[in-house]
Amino acid sequence: EDKVVQSPLSLVVHEGDTVTLNCSYEVTNFRSLLWYKQEKKAPTFLFMLTSSGIEKKSGRLSSILDKKELFSILNITATQTGDSAVYLCAVGNNYGQNFVFGPGTRLSVLP
Amino acid sequence: ETGVTQTPRHLVMGMTNKKSLKCEQHLGHNAMYWYKQSAKKPLELMFVYSLEERVENNSVPSRFSPECPNSSHLFLHLHTLQPEDSALYLCASRHGLAGDYNEQFFGPGTRLTVL
Repeated sequence: EDKVVQSPLSLVVHEGDTVTLNCSYEVTNFRSLLWYKQEKKAPTFLFMLTSSGIEKKSGRLSSILDKKELFSILNITATQTGDSAVYLCAVGNNYGQNFVFGPGTRLSVLP
Repeated sequence: ETGVTQTPRHLVMGMTNKKSLKCEQHLGHNAMYWYKQSAKKPLELMFVYSLEERVENNSVPSRFSPECPNSSHLFLHLHTLQPEDSALYLCASRHGLAGDYNEQFFGPGTRLTVL
């Protein structure tokens, strides 16, 4: 059964700190790994990773995938209060339309 | 706004009621999903429709009945629900077929409370 684990489950930091969120997975015939940010309701897409070692970057956020060790990290530098959210990791395989989600990391950034 | 809308945004129903959740996407996508999000649990896939055919049904109780009349609309019909069915129900859509490299776009969800 496909499985996604995220750590930590909860994190409290102060503005300006740098955080690293972790996602590890077990999936049959891996296709892609996705990161989403969920603030109030709808998760919004951040990154899709398919190849090892290639960093994806968007502003202060970056992410990288290690397909050998089966994990990904999401880095946020110079955090702001607007970064407070639940960050979801999901993996997709080659067989179906399904994505398996992890439990999420709840990040709280204090002023 | 992601281009995926859901109505109603909030719903309170009794265990004997029948109600429906509606999802609409304006993105030209060909796959639509229902997920259940309960407190402190990962997003759980309920149903997937691809090209208006149900392609995944993740062991969901029969009191949840999906309907996809066309590629833009998805419904979730509810009847005789249990209090443990209270959750946020999220709809998502994406473009592509199995194995394609496309992300999902989520609607804002319907917060369902079953009394």
